[in-house]
Formats: sequence, C-alpha cells, structure tokens
Amino acid sequence: GQQLNQSPQSMFIQEGEDVSMNCTSSSIFNTWLWYKQDPGEGPVLLIALYKAGELTSNGRLTAQFGITRKDSFLNISASIPSDVGIYFCVGEYGNKLVFGAGTILRVKS
Amino acid sequence: DAMVIQNPRYQVTQFGKPVTLSCSQTLNHNVMYWYQQKSSQAPKLLFHYYDKDFNNEADTPDNFQSRRPNTSFCFLDIRSPGLGDAAMYLCATTPIGGDTEAFFGQGTRLTVV
Repeated sequence: GQQLNQSPQSMFIQEGEDVSMNCTSSSIFNTWLWYKQDPGEGPVLLIALYKAGELTSNGRLTAQFGITRKDSFLNISASIPSDVGIYFCVGEYGNKLVFGAGTILRVKS
Repeated sequence: DAMVIQNPRYQVTQFGKPVTLSCSQTLNHNVMYWYQQKSSQAPKLLFHYYDKDFNNEADTPDNFQSRRPNTSFCFLDIRSPGLGDAAMYLCATTPIGGDTEAFFGQGTRLTVV
C-alpha cells in the first residue's frame, strides 16, 4: 500500500529558530495536506497544496508540493512556543488519505 | 463554528461494556472516516463511508462497528472494549472525489477501566 516517510521524527529547537520537515513517498499524490495536532485535540489544517511545484505560505509557514508529486516539505520560520505540537503530512489520492508518522516539535524558550 | 463535531470529548467505559461514539458534520460531505490514534502516533484508519457504502479496513477488528443513518451523522460502536482500545478516536470528512482538505473533529478520548 501507499506509505509516507516523514522526517524528522522529533525536533527540540530554540525559540526563534527555523524548522524544516518533509515527507517522501514512492507513490504519486494529487494533494498534499499539512496538519498540526495539539495534545488532546484533532488535527487542524495548516496548508493545502494542490499542484505539483506549488509553493504556498501561511504566515510563518511555507510548504511546497514536490514536482514529482511524491514529496512535500513544510518550513516554519522564527519558531515560537505555541508551535509546539505534532505535525502530520497527508498525501491524498481521491478520497484516500495517507498519513506520515508525524514530527513532534518542542520549542525551548 | 465547528463543522465536524464529536461527542463526547471524553468517554470512560468499563472493560467489556459496549460504547458508542458519535460524529456529526454540517459540511454535507459524502465521505466520513473513523480513525483510531494512540499516543504520539499517526491516526490509523478503521473504516470509512463513501456515501452509504461502508468500507472496512482489512485489519480493523470485528469489535469495531459503524453506522451512518444519514449524511450528517456517523457512529462508532465498540462492542466489547478492551484495555488496548483506549485511544483517541477521530472523525473526518471529505467531499466525494476528495483531493481537497479533510476536516477533522476534535476527537473523543476513550478510557477503558
């Protein structure tokens, strides 16, 4: 079946640092979604990418849909304490959603 | 306003006692999903409805059942909860055709005692 490799598994960074995480797959996806999940809550959409090569920003967040349609990255600039949480990439093909394993982000003040 | 609503947010049930979790949506989406999520792991798909068509994942235990009486509501029934079923349960929706944002509820945290 389709699988996503998300890295890194976890990050412990200093407040103000930039963060980068990515997902790769051997399968092609039509859409890439990036979600953030706070403890005890459901995932919340950060950025949706719909076209190969698309680069989209949402405040301090920037994400790109890889040109091969098999990968995506998410960057967070100037991290702040409320960026703490788990970040999931999701590759979507029709109604099929494939989750990455998640990146746990911790921020030191 | 919340578009995918799960109730209750927290559920405590006894070992072996049937429990039902509910999900409702105001998006009129045809596809609804149920996921099980254990601590710091990715959500694991249990099953999904493609309109009225029920699609069970091959490794979903028989202990887990679902009902979808109409477009807006979907239920997850756990017939005999075991300690290993303690988890966060997430409901999500997408329109038919997908390839767009999936909307998640806030989840139900299930504790089995």
